[in-house]
Amino acid sequence: KAGVTQTPRYLIKTRGQQVTLSCSPISGHRSVSWYQQTPGQGLQFLFEYFSETQRNKGNFPGRFSGRQFSNSRSEMNVSTLELGDSALYLCASSPSPGTGTYSGNTIYFGEGSWLTVV
Amino acid sequence: GENVEQHPSTLSVQEGDSAVIKCTYSDSASNYFPWYKQELGKRPQLIIDIRSNVGEKKDQRIAVTLNKTAKHFSLHITETQPEDSAVYFCAAPKYNNNDMRFGAGTRLTVKP
Repeated sequence: KAGVTQTPRYLIKTRGQQVTLSCSPISGHRSVSWYQQTPGQGLQFLFEYFSETQRNKGNFPGRFSGRQFSNSRSEMNVSTLELGDSALYLCASSPSPGTGTYSGNTIYFGEGSWLTVV
Repeated sequence: GENVEQHPSTLSVQEGDSAVIKCTYSDSASNYFPWYKQELGKRPQLIIDIRSNVGEKKDQRIAVTLNKTAKHFSLHITETQPEDSAVYFCAAPKYNNNDMRFGAGTRLTVKP
């Protein structure tokens, strides 16, 4: 079974531009979440989608947005890029969202998209 | 809050020794605790996880223990090998979804 696939793997953008990153979950997985990884802040939750609906959002500005399609593929968009947005953006998929209080399910990460803003 | 604290931030051991990484969480309602290993330039990969209905889980040289009363869980690696060198992350979910809150990571170096 193919793993989580993210494209593009590497990209360089200029401040003020916008970027769209794509994620294809593991076949059969319907929950997709996004994380930002930086040396200083570690792994930070961005948002999660299930059945084309955003279920939760992390503490990021509105410049960060996402969506999920009917085939469970997801995209995230960052508008008006800032230097501090340079990071590894990781997508993760899970068969379903967690059920019950604080009972997450195993998430499987893609290889990530390395974004450099200059 | 729902912070996850992880210690130590770096750990260096000799090959064959054991390594222990500890995490604490703040929300007593959390009941799922995965550990991820991330090698340089690669994605985090799940190595072991535990749910709160058990206190310990083992998989070959790796084990995780959970103390719900104290709200901490630990990763134990025995007979360490150079290929165990990586950054290890603990995590706990925030709500009833897959919003994982990660520890800051532990860089483990196993010296041959």
